[in-house]
Amino acid sequence: NAGVTQTPKFRVLKTGQSMTLLCAQDMNHEYMYWYRQDPGMGLRLIHYSVGEGTTAKGEVPDGYNVSRLKKQNFLLGLESAAPSQTSVYFCASTDREEQYFGPGTRLTVT
Amino acid sequence: AQTVTQSQPEMSVQEAETVTLSCTYDTSESNYYLFWYKQPPSRQMILVIRQEAYKQQNATENRFSVNFQKAAKSFSLKISDSQLGDTAMYFCAFMKPLGAGSYQLTFGKGTKLSVIP
Repeated sequence: NAGVTQTPKFRVLKTGQSMTLLCAQDMNHEYMYWYRQDPGMGLRLIHYSVGEGTTAKGEVPDGYNVSRLKKQNFLLGLESAAPSQTSVYFCASTDREEQYFGPGTRLTVT
Repeated sequence: AQTVTQSQPEMSVQEAETVTLSCTYDTSESNYYLFWYKQPPSRQMILVIRQEAYKQQNATENRFSVNFQKAAKSFSLKISDSQLGDTAMYFCAFMKPLGAGSYQLTFGKGTKLSVIP
């Protein structure tokens, strides 16, 4: 039982490049979330999903897109990366109130 | 909008001593949850303790306990018998229902705790 995993763990992008972060969970959870963590800040919600095929915007959605084609996977996409998107990205999943977090992806946009 | 305030950016405590981390929040919700998360240098977010707002009794998990004052909107974390492994960032978080069974966590900015041998 791996819990929540994130791919990749680190990535460096140039401004304007695109990429997709993958979150996978093996706990059969309905709800999945993407957060970003910036220095000196707590985590902020980007997008979330209440089930396969559904997504919704969180607190800071601009510049990101998401998809939940399979229940176990939640993808976060950056179509045209900007330096302001340099951050650590966390995925979480839950079937109740407690959220289980992945190990994070450190993304640097130069 | 909900806000979570942690007024102590950094704290230190001697090993085996007790330390209290402060957290206040602002909300008009009546049904919510509160959490303390620990983030060690490994970056992993680890749940330390949770409190349901409808429960008056303060939550306790081994050496960790909270002082939940609902009217004052205060949710402090007490760590007893501090250990070197407690060194980490600690985040207070407020959770409210988003609907359809999902929830949103709002985090404070964190308190960096150092346990000194």
